[in-house]
Amino acid sequence: DGGITQSPKYLFRKEGQNVTLSCEQNLNHDAMYWYRQDPGQGLRLIYYSQIVNDFQKGDIAEGYSVSREKKESFPLTVTSAQKNPTAFYLCASSPIARSGTEAFFGQGTRLTVV
Amino acid sequence: GQNIDQPTEMTATEGAIVQINCTYQTSGFNGLFWYQQHAGEAPTFLSYNVLDGLEEKGRFSSFLSRSKGYSYLLLKELQMKDSASYLCASKQAGTALIFGKGTTLSVSS
Repeated sequence: DGGITQSPKYLFRKEGQNVTLSCEQNLNHDAMYWYRQDPGQGLRLIYYSQIVNDFQKGDIAEGYSVSREKKESFPLTVTSAQKNPTAFYLCASSPIARSGTEAFFGQGTRLTVV
Repeated sequence: GQNIDQPTEMTATEGAIVQINCTYQTSGFNGLFWYQQHAGEAPTFLSYNVLDGLEEKGRFSSFLSRSKGYSYLLLKELQMKDSASYLCASKQAGTALIFGKGTTLSVSS
């Protein structure tokens, strides 16, 4: 089945450690996105990519890094520079960023830093 | 830049109709989306408007007025399973969806 897979669903890390969240899609979508959601809040954009080997910062990119070496994959690294990393992270994809097509979401990764 | 506002919480009873409003300010506007999100789950797409007017999909309808920067999501014949957060999101050409903070709808019997 086509879709977006995020792994793992739950992730625990010690403070000061970098952690990489996986996002894979087999929908042949060009654009991919990372959002962060805190309790009772909407989604805030971290990074997005419209094409392989290119990506742009969103509203809250500080303390995060991404790569887009393959069309299917858009991993997000939460670095030790991110001051408050505990959150629900959602990855999404859409056919083309410029068009008015909806984004499809993965099931999310809940990251807890202790 | 973009700015999206929607009410934080709403309550309604089963079988009723509820309207969730959203106002936005988006340069290079390229569409308004509504998503539904149940607690702890991923958002799922409900509707998309890019032209003024009403789009109807079963029990859900969405309206857009571009001149007023205003949209609403109308839910009819409410069911308990409609208890969720409803996210309004605007699209700026060439970028990603930008979301409001969401409206938590509680449906009671």
